[in-house]
Amino acid sequence: DAGITQSPRHKVTETGTPVTLRCHQTENHRYMYWYRQDPGHGLRLIHYSYGVKDTDKGEVSDGYSVSRSKTEDFLLTLESATSSQTSVYFCAITSVSGLNTGELFFGEGSRLTVL
Amino acid sequence: GQQLNQSPQSMFIQEGEDVSMNCTSSSIFNTWLWYKQDPGEGPVLLIALYKAGELTSNGRLTAQFGITRKDSFLNISASIPSDVGIYFCAGQKGGEDKLSFGAGTTVTVRA
Repeated sequence: DAGITQSPRHKVTETGTPVTLRCHQTENHRYMYWYRQDPGHGLRLIHYSYGVKDTDKGEVSDGYSVSRSKTEDFLLTLESATSSQTSVYFCAITSVSGLNTGELFFGEGSRLTVL
Repeated sequence: GQQLNQSPQSMFIQEGEDVSMNCTSSSIFNTWLWYKQDPGEGPVLLIALYKAGELTSNGRLTAQFGITRKDSFLNISASIPSDVGIYFCAGQKGGEDKLSFGAGTTVTVRA
C-alpha cells in the first residue's frame, strides 16, 4: 500500500471556524491531490500540487486554499467553514514518482461535518 | 462541472451474473481508468487504459478504451458478493495533470 495518511479522519466543527486537513505521504512523489466526495457527484478535484510550492486549482476550489511547503505534506484549509463543505475529503498521490499516468493512490478519507 | 457521464447510476447484482457499466464524454481523453471504492475506504485502481481500442482484463474485470476516445466500458463477469461497492470511471486529457471522474455506479447485491 502507498504510504498516505490523512488527519484528522473525522472532524465536527461549526460554521465560520477554520479547518485544516493534512495529507502526509512517505513515497516522495511529486503530484498530490485533494478531492471531495458527495453523493451524486462522485469525486471532484479541489486543488492539486505538482511540486513544493507549486499548486493549481481544480473544479471546486472556491472556499479552499492549499499549501505544500515540503514534498511529503499537502494541507487543505477551509478559512471559514460552511455547511456546504460538509463532505468526505480524499487525498491522492500518483503511483509513480515524477510521472503522471493518471494512476492514483488514495488515502482513507477525512469526514468533515460543518454544523 | 462533471465531464464524464457514467451509467447506470446504480445496479443490483445476483451472484454469478455478468454486469456492465459505461462512461461517456463529449471530450477526448488520452487515458481512461476504472476505480472501485469499498465502504469507508478510498478508491482503488482496477484497470488503466492508454490506447484507443485497447481491451484489458484484471481477473474477472474487463475494460475497454473506446475507439472514439470519448468512452470506456467495464464488465464484471460471474459477479461475487465482494464486487459490491462504488465503481468510478476517470479520464485524463493529454498534457493535463488531473483526472475527471464520473459520478459513480453503486453496485449492490440483490436480496
